[in-house]
Amino acid sequence: GDSVTQMEGPVTLSEEAFLTINCTYTATGYPSLFWYVQYPGEGLQLLLKATKADDKGSNKGFEATYRKETTSFHLEKGSVQVSDSAVYFCALDTGSGNTGKLIFGQGTTLQVKP
Amino acid sequence: KAGVTQTPRYLIKTRGQQVTLSCSPISGHRSVSWYQQTPGQGLQFLFEYFSETQRNKGNFPGRFSGRQFSNSRSEMNVSTLELGDSALYLCASSSGAPSTDTQYFGPGTRLTVL
Repeated sequence: GDSVTQMEGPVTLSEEAFLTINCTYTATGYPSLFWYVQYPGEGLQLLLKATKADDKGSNKGFEATYRKETTSFHLEKGSVQVSDSAVYFCALDTGSGNTGKLIFGQGTTLQVKP
Repeated sequence: KAGVTQTPRYLIKTRGQQVTLSCSPISGHRSVSWYQQTPGQGLQFLFEYFSETQRNKGNFPGRFSGRQFSNSRSEMNVSTLELGDSALYLCASSSGAPSTDTQYFGPGTRLTVL
């Protein structure tokens, strides 16, 4: 079945370091891909998305490119800040036929130290 | 535009009781999805409602049910609570269009079953 696999956390970085969180997926058809972020005690916030192969989603310095050939959607940021400390979730939506259902990875905790 | 709201934010119940959670979607959104988040199982899809009809359902027992009203507000009910139902319950709203739609999440309801 459809699934999402994220790199194990926690990831601990110093401020201004480069961030990569790996995400790979298995899906039939042509899913849309998402990154969500969850701060302590809060719900999920959409960080970025891509709806077709080779699309690049970007927001707040974060980027991810939809790579169909490697079934990946890795999240990157050039220079992290302490305020980026949170849990990051990669997710896919296979679309019609399975409406309203996001499939999530297990989440990756990011801790950024000053 | 106001975001997704969920009430109550926190609930404490005892085993065997039932509980009802409420979700108000973003204005104009007709789809509401519900998810359960636990440390062990991560984020799991419960069900999705669109225009008062359940369109999709996850793999949860019949104790978990929901409904949607004509104004798109949704409620989720859990009967005969078990300790394992302790979780953060998140709802998300979207326009309901397949394939490229985006779900926006509320802050969640934290349910504790004693």
